[in-house]
Amino acid sequence: DGGITQSPKYLFRKEGQNVTLSCEQNLNHDAMYWYRQDPGQGLRLIYYSQIVNDFQKGDIAEGYSVSREKKESFPLTVTSAQKNPTAFYLCASGGLVTYEQYFGPGTRLTVT
Amino acid sequence: QKEVEQNSGPLSVPEGAIASLNCTYSDRGSQSFFWYRQYSGKSPELIMSIYSNGDKEDGRFTAQLNKASQYVSLLIRDSQPSDSATYLCAVRGSYGKLTFGQGTILTVHP
Repeated sequence: DGGITQSPKYLFRKEGQNVTLSCEQNLNHDAMYWYRQDPGQGLRLIYYSQIVNDFQKGDIAEGYSVSREKKESFPLTVTSAQKNPTAFYLCASGGLVTYEQYFGPGTRLTVT
Repeated sequence: QKEVEQNSGPLSVPEGAIASLNCTYSDRGSQSFFWYRQYSGKSPELIMSIYSNGDKEDGRFTAQLNKASQYVSLLIRDSQPSDSATYLCAVRGSYGKLTFGQGTILTVHP
């Protein structure tokens, strides 16, 4: 069953704690992306990766970190430096020909 | 000026009507254009991609692209209540990144 999985679906953390969000894909896509969506807003790009062991900052990378050690996996760490981490986090993957992006189900992070 | 702008909405249409969703973009070098549908509380789902000027049809959906006017639209024919969602326009610009509009909320009422 091909697709993109994100876990967990809901995540609750206290301020000051780092948290890692999982994203896995078995679509053999080269590129993977992390977006953040706040209520009533569009998606904003956090980080993206087009090849293993390489990634680039998106528009709002401050307070986040990523790794791409395997083609299938692109975990996102939300650090305590992120000032307003509560949001809906979306992982996507896609190829490098059509540049279509397909989204996972998302993780809702609440930090109190 | 925002990089990708969508008509503000919300848009309400009766069942069976045509819903028209519009999007303008600022980067003249943009090459790829996408429409996503997002149901409340869910992740976006890709419904249309368009790369060249003109119309592209897929079932009840038609995407229209006019690069000279920097305009892309999505028409939904025979709208159904199940089409009620937020529609996101996304544009791949000169630097390769996808930029999303704020979204237009569509409500189809019976």
